[in-house]
Amino acid sequence: DQQVKQNSPSLSVQEGRISILNCDYTNSMFDYFLWYKKYPAEGPTFLISISSIKDKNEDGRFTVFLNKSAKHLSLHIVPSQPGDSAVYFCAASAGGSARQLTFGSGTQLTVLP
Amino acid sequence: NAGVTQTPKFRILKIGQSMTLQCTQDMNHNYMYWYRQDPGMGLKLIYYSVGAGITDKGEVPNGYNVSRSTTEDFPLRLELAAPSQTSVYFCASSYSGGAADTQYFGPGTRLTVL
Repeated sequence: DQQVKQNSPSLSVQEGRISILNCDYTNSMFDYFLWYKKYPAEGPTFLISISSIKDKNEDGRFTVFLNKSAKHLSLHIVPSQPGDSAVYFCAASAGGSARQLTFGSGTQLTVLP
Repeated sequence: NAGVTQTPKFRILKIGQSMTLQCTQDMNHNYMYWYRQDPGMGLKLIYYSVGAGITDKGEVPNGYNVSRSTTEDFPLRLELAAPSQTSVYFCASSYSGGAADTQYFGPGTRLTVL
């Protein structure tokens, strides 16, 4: 049973436009959410996160929105750049002494020049 | 600072063979993790460690063993390799286990079991 779902395996966007990546979760105990970015033959790298007490967090071109009632979060990239082309993973964690991350299956973003 | 390093990068094993995937971090992080990523799937936690001498199971620990004798190293042992263990394995580390504490990942080991 997937507790974190990314229903779009791929997304193509024109350079300069907005990219919106979506993620849904089912576990009400999740209280922290993260986005990781992964290039081929590399490990994932942390991009941005949000606590469940917030509904928005911004970092430069990246903004994450959290809708707790819908159990949905999204990552907005504005403007999109060709270097943003990568696989984006949504991850979530619940309270505890060691935060275990539950990952979605990823969305391949391609930004077309 | 090398961050998190993993060896080997690639490996092909025959069914029933065993091997150890190496992971080293030079960031003096207390927490270390092993994940596996199957094609088209997200990463799943195999084992984690909160410090030297302390390890615990994650979501998919069967068929694996770990040890943590030093802060820097966290090897993953596969005994009696099976085709179901064909995957990409990622090691990660973080300073603490807190929610806001970033996990840093190594480049991965691609393992094929034939």
